Amino acid sequence: EPEVTQTPSHQVTQMGQEVILRCVPISNHLYFYWYRQILGQKVEFLVSFYNNEISEKSEIFDDQFSVERPDGSNFTLKIRSTKLEDSAMYFCASSEGTDPTNTQYFGPGTRLTVL
Amino acid sequence: AQSVSQHNHHVILSEAASLELGCNYSYGGTVNLFWYVQYPGQHLQLLLKYFSGDPLVKGIKGFEAEFIKSKFSFNLRKPSVQWSDTAEYFCAVNAQDTNAGKSTFGDGTTLTVKP
Repeated sequence: EPEVTQTPSHQVTQMGQEVILRCVPISNHLYFYWYRQILGQKVEFLVSFYNNEISEKSEIFDDQFSVERPDGSNFTLKIRSTKLEDSAMYFCASSEGTDPTNTQYFGPGTRLTVL
Repeated sequence: AQSVSQHNHHVILSEAASLELGCNYSYGGTVNLFWYVQYPGQHLQLLLKYFSGDPLVKGIKGFEAEFIKSKFSFNLRKPSVQWSDTAEYFCAVNAQDTNAGKSTFGDGTTLTVKP
């Protein structure tokens, strides 16, 4: 069964550094998402992406964050200058078709630790 | 904006006990409803979903949920839990009348099943 994959599984970085989290969505999916889960808290929506542009973003997704689909398979989340409070599990998800209410399939997540 | 409330933060049951986890949502329009499970050290997996039709939906691993529109609820049930059901359970909602597919998650319920 096709799966969403994410790399790396764990990223440790120093405060102020840039990080890029990578995701490979399921191949025929057209909607892509990033969520994050701070330890012990709920899963929070960051951004959705369709047709090479952002569809919706939350208030968390400020100017420090950006997303990109640099090629036909990868979907990346970049944090320009990481802060301690960016430490979290970051989940990528994708859904098929042009109906965004289709089921979202989640990747295994990248644990980001900012020191 | 939609919101989701899960009433039970931590539920502890013995094997073979029945389970019901509460989920209420708030949104003025039509919604899609989901239950996800996150086993220790693993990623989010879809248990079941409701878009329309029969309000009683059956998912994987013997789980079911009932959508009660008048109560804005989508409670998860299982008649007899097993030790392997120990996990975190998340209720989520997205709105059918938006075009971005953003899912809003509840805080999650930790289920511990004692053998």
